[in-house]
Amino acid sequence: GAVVSQHPSRVICKSGTSVKIECRSLDFQATTMFWYRQFPKQSLMLMATSNEGSKATYEQGVEKDKFLINHASLTLSTLTVTSAHPEDSSFYICSARDPMTVDTQYFGPGTRLTVL
Amino acid sequence: SQQGEEDPQALSIQEGENATMNCSYKTSINNLQWYRQNSGRGLVHLILIRSNEREKHSGRLRVTLDTSKKSSSLLITASRAADTASYFCATASTSGSRLTFGEGTQLTVNP
Repeated sequence: GAVVSQHPSRVICKSGTSVKIECRSLDFQATTMFWYRQFPKQSLMLMATSNEGSKATYEQGVEKDKFLINHASLTLSTLTVTSAHPEDSSFYICSARDPMTVDTQYFGPGTRLTVL
Repeated sequence: SQQGEEDPQALSIQEGENATMNCSYKTSINNLQWYRQNSGRGLVHLILIRSNEREKHSGRLRVTLDTSKKSSSLLITASRAADTASYFCATASTSGSRLTFGEGTQLTVNP
């Protein structure tokens, strides 16, 4: 099946620093990727939809200047959490849509961000 | 906002028993999907059922969809300890559109 990777799997940073998370589709080209945020014991909240070669579409309430998304190639999308604060600590998960199976999203393993 | 509501929030059963989880949603859908998440990991796609389908099977999984009641159920038969995970339903309003996830059910299968 389709494989999506995320890097890093875990990151700890100081307040005020920026953190970049990569999401890669390994065996298919993903024109659309999605970024989710998940708090402990809660569901996934969609943050933004990332389209290759165009600007990301952010969900209501998500600060686009805070969470920068770049989808520069068909296999890579990045999420940069700028000037991170402790309240940004969360589990960030990406997914990618395989154009061949348009309705199914393949999820990465997630990135645990802890901001001190 | 989350469209799906799932019940129960938590379910604890013995190995070999069946587990049933329910999902309700509010708006029209094109398809409904079930995902599994082990603690601290990503999501694994289990099964997709389209709005014109009523039931689908995959191995020990059985999914039903009742669009008149806007609800779906996931049945896991002959459960195993390895089935312990969180299970989420997710709906798509149109083909290929964004998914809206339910709150999830935490399933614990005791050996």
